[in-house]
Amino acid sequence: QSALTQPASVSGSPGQSITISCTGTSSDVGGYNYVSWYQQHPGKAPKLMIYEVSNRPSGVPDRFSGSKSGNTASLTISGLQAEDEADYYCSSYTSSSTPQVVFGGGTKLTVL
Amino acid sequence: QVQLQESGPGLVKPSQTLSLTCTVSGGSISSGDYYWSWIRQPPGKGLEWIGYIYYSGSTYYNPSLKSRVTISVDTSKNQFSLKLSSVTAADTAVYYCARGPTVTSNWFDPWGQGTLVTVSS
Repeated sequence: QSALTQPASVSGSPGQSITISCTGTSSDVGGYNYVSWYQQHPGKAPKLMIYEVSNRPSGVPDRFSGSKSGNTASLTISGLQAEDEADYYCSSYTSSSTPQVVFGGGTKLTVL
Repeated sequence: QVQLQESGPGLVKPSQTLSLTCTVSGGSISSGDYYWSWIRQPPGKGLEWIGYIYYSGSTYYNPSLKSRVTISVDTSKNQFSLKLSSVTAADTAVYYCARGPTVTSNWFDPWGQGTLVTVSS
């Protein structure tokens, strides 16, 4: 069971936009619209930010958006704010063997 | 709103069994709309899905851990539990319980605050 591939780090200045990619295969990201994204601040539990590729839970700012093309999903944060500095993880359903879940390795977002 | 809280020993000796319980409040574990999951995060590393259980007792486990993992549910107490046998230092991690995935989708929300389990003699 291989983790989804994310860049180790991305950075941006306040007000700018950044995109974090999440690359999988046709057995996970590419095969299902079951990609979710999580934000994790140091010492805190992950928080759901995007589900089913592009849906935002109630309370998540619309600066956060998700999309997918082929085997790669993306999380875009527009109008970066200092509080967005955190680790971000993608996750997907995978059918590679028994039904299961796979996470990306995580991306550290630094707001310059 | 639903809240989850992990509990259990913070220190486990090598070769022994790690046991944790997640107590769910603000909602019923028997609602039928969700599975209930365990996820872990070694210090400084990423998230690893361990497995999930339905209120009926059906379970799905990460193949890499399947031989050592047992997840069970106690609907009368609104709790579900994790047992991981034959632990080594590599099992040292923050262990989270979470609601999800749903029966029709694949996301986790909310999460418990997490509990650090250290494997050491």
